[in-house]
Amino acid sequence: QSVLTQPPSASGTPGQRVTISCSGSSSNIGSNTVNWYQQLPGTAPKLLIYSNNQRPSGVPDRFSGSKSGTSASLAISGLQSEDEADYYCAAWDDSLNGRDVVFGGGTKLTVL
Amino acid sequence: QVQLVQSGAEVKKPGASVKVSCKASGYTFTGYYMHWVRQAPGQGLEWMGWINPNSGGTNYAQKFQGRVTMTRDTSISTAYMELSRLRSDDTAVYYCARDSRSAAAGPSPRFDPWGQGTLVTVSS
Repeated sequence: QSVLTQPPSASGTPGQRVTISCSGSSSNIGSNTVNWYQQLPGTAPKLLIYSNNQRPSGVPDRFSGSKSGTSASLAISGLQSEDEADYYCAAWDDSLNGRDVVFGGGTKLTVL
Repeated sequence: QVQLVQSGAEVKKPGASVKVSCKASGYTFTGYYMHWVRQAPGQGLEWMGWINPNSGGTNYAQKFQGRVTMTRDTSISTAYMELSRLRSDDTAVYYCARDSRSAAAGPSPRFDPWGQGTLVTVSS
């Protein structure tokens, strides 16, 4: 059971816009920034979005992130076949026992 | 370019230990925290902890405290993750991932790049 909650799957057709949600609590998303990772089949994850809505160099502007309260979202516009991958959100989680990085369970995006 | 190259696949028996290495190149090794993340077959990502390569300081996820040890050898720009008392549910791909922020700013959950992964199989 992941600390951050994501839908297990999402889908869209080429050119469409899709969004993936990530729900948390006051101890993680509510008080820390959110990062998103893309994992293409059989490869290591790649940083896609950091600090809620910032794109690393080389990431197309079709990818965007947002955060509101204890939830965050990843949006992909102009969907392409190569966007078919697993997507994970991540954030610090602050508790009495310390500070851990927590991930969402991942969302498998299918391009129909 | 910044690159992390991990050691090869391992097969271990329950109760044994495994040590995975992660050799960094293309940047100042001591300037960035290193994290370890694992992924069981068909499952999601699980953070294990970080090491500050400059000081050797570590912080482990609660789940792994007492079983994991992260170390580094600055002379060869290599980080290590050792997991002891292995169980079958430790079977996973283990990744090292560099913190993309300078160590002066403290650790962050912003990992870039990642190593290629090391499959550890625990089986009797």
